[in-house]
Amino acid sequence: DQQVKQNSPSLSVQEGRISILNCDYTNSMFDYFLWYKKYPAEGPTFLISISSIKDKNEDGRFTVFLNKSAKHLSLHIVPSQPGDSAVYFCAAKGYSGGGADGLTFGKGTHLIIQP
Amino acid sequence: DTGVSQDPRHKITKRGQNVTFRCDPISEHNRLYWYRQTLGQGPEFLTYFQNEAQLEKSRLLSDRFSAERPKGSFSTLEIQRTEQGDSAMYLCASSFGRSGNTIYFGEGSWLTVV
Repeated sequence: DQQVKQNSPSLSVQEGRISILNCDYTNSMFDYFLWYKKYPAEGPTFLISISSIKDKNEDGRFTVFLNKSAKHLSLHIVPSQPGDSAVYFCAAKGYSGGGADGLTFGKGTHLIIQP
Repeated sequence: DTGVSQDPRHKITKRGQNVTFRCDPISEHNRLYWYRQTLGQGPEFLTYFQNEAQLEKSRLLSDRFSAERPKGSFSTLEIQRTEQGDSAMYLCASSFGRSGNTIYFGEGSWLTVV
């Protein structure tokens, strides 16, 4: 049972436009959400996070929105740049049933920025 | 470089052999995590330490896997009697308590079992 879902395996966006990556979760015990960016053969790099008590967090070109009632969050990248091409993982933190203090990840969305 | 470092970055081993990976966390971080990632999947939690205490182990961590963190600094992950299904990237991460809730990852150790 996947508790964090990224339903789009890939997304293609033109350079300069907005990229919107979506994530849904099922466990209402999650209290903190993070987005990571990953290049091939490298570890995930932290991008931005949001606490469950907020509905928006912004950092430069990156904005994360959280809709708790819908159990949905999204990452907006504006404007999209070629270097943004990577796999983006949504992750959630909090009691996830297994007692883990770590993160539960989605399967990732491969973002491709086209010139 | 003051990030999380892992060694070796790549390891090819024959089935049945033992392998060990090392992780050096960010120096002031008291929590250390091990994750595993296979192709097409997100990282999956294996285990975590707070200082030297191993506080949680995932059911993914079979009895062939053992992790240690002596003295609460670096950590090792050993896989005994490797199987082809163990081929994956093993990721180490660290954080400082729950402050900021941000977990920082190393670059990972690729394991290929042939």
